[in-house]
Amino acid sequence: GAVVSQHPSRVICKSGTSVKIECRSLDFQATTMFWYRQFPKQSLMLMATSNEGSKATYEQGVEKDKFLINHASLTLSTLTVTSAHPEDSSFYICSATSYAGGGETQYFGPGTRLLVL
Amino acid sequence: LAKTTQPISMDSYEGQEVNITCSHNNIATNDYITWYQQFPSQGPRFIIQGYKTKVTNEVASLFIPADRKSSTLSLPRVSLSDTAVYYCLATGGGNKLTFGTGTQLKVEL
Repeated sequence: GAVVSQHPSRVICKSGTSVKIECRSLDFQATTMFWYRQFPKQSLMLMATSNEGSKATYEQGVEKDKFLINHASLTLSTLTVTSAHPEDSSFYICSATSYAGGGETQYFGPGTRLLVL
Repeated sequence: LAKTTQPISMDSYEGQEVNITCSHNNIATNDYITWYQQFPSQGPRFIIQGYKTKVTNEVASLFIPADRKSSTLSLPRVSLSDTAVYYCLATGGGNKLTFGTGTQLKVEL
């Protein structure tokens, strides 16, 4: 299947700092990528849809000025958590849509564990 | 978006076949059924996808009846390493995915 990578895999930062997470589709181009957040023992919650060359679409309750998304190329989307606070500590996962083989399948990255002290 | 419903948890033993059923009564005509597996602290991994009837790959089979209101993921001869959360989703049309609770499968010796 298609491969999606994320960097970093784990990050620890101080409260008030900003953290950037990268999501890359390694062997396919993705006009659409998605960002999710997952808290312990819970399911994935969609935060936003990242569209190449245009503004991201945020889910209700997700602050666009706090979670900045940039999808500058067909293989890279970035999520920046601005002025991070302890409550932003979570597992962040991205996915990218592949249309290989005539179908449509979302492939997920390995996730980024964020800990804000 | 079609909502999916699946059991919260299932227990099995090594070597057994496990069948996880998912209900999706309001599935759209152009939606596929896609199953993912997730281990702790990892992103979901694609297992299998189908539209109708039966699909089989090297790790699982997917059965979808003619009315497409449900589907069953079949894992043959599970092992301890198959302990994970399994998600069933209706996908397609560029729609965003809505994850349910998933099914926590626990495999014991």
